[in-house]
Amino acid sequence: AQSVTQPDIHITVSEGASLELRCNYSYGATPYLFWYVQSPGQGLQLLLKYFSGDTLVQGIKGFEAEFKRSQSSFNLRKPSVHWSDAAEYFCAVGERTGYALNFGKGTSLLVTP
Amino acid sequence: DADVTQTPRNRITKTGKRIMLECSQTKGHDRMYWYRQDPGLGLQLIYYSFDVKDINKGEISDGYSVSRQAQAKFSLSLESAIPNQTALYFCATSDPARGPGELFFGEGSRLTVL
Repeated sequence: AQSVTQPDIHITVSEGASLELRCNYSYGATPYLFWYVQSPGQGLQLLLKYFSGDTLVQGIKGFEAEFKRSQSSFNLRKPSVHWSDAAEYFCAVGERTGYALNFGKGTSLLVTP
Repeated sequence: DADVTQTPRNRITKTGKRIMLECSQTKGHDRMYWYRQDPGLGLQLIYYSFDVKDINKGEISDGYSVSRQAQAKFSLSLESAIPNQTALYFCATSDPARGPGELFFGEGSRLTVL
């Protein structure tokens, strides 16, 4: 069955530290891959997406993600976290011939001073 | 003004009541979606619509119905609300020309069923 797994429910990092949020998927073929961010009281906003080509993709707010086919992973990274990055992060996967996304359960990021 | 607007933003109701959540968009997108978010469960797709005449069930459509009144309007109804429908509901739109999955979300409608 198709699935999206975000192994970490909560992550706490210090401001200025680096960040990596994990995402693993189980799909029959290379899917479309996304990271969304949800700030408190807000809807979800697209951070970045991977369709094809370069496996390292750049997004908004200084985020990047790397698609690793061999590991079925699409981890999100940021070199230096800011307090405003505290939010819920969702990995999402879609089939190339599909119609909608399958979302992970989310990772809640807390940023400490 | 928000491109995807949901009303109401918050609603408290009682078991058995009929509830309608409305969504309107100014993005000009044909595709619209209703998702439900529960803490620790991510987002689950309730219904989606690719145009006014095309309505499809998602993974958790039981207990819900929808109406696509126009390209810009997509409403979600709970005919007889029950407490386990307490959740945060999101409307979203997409433009297939941008590739599948790039969704634009409203700010959410928080529903509490007592």
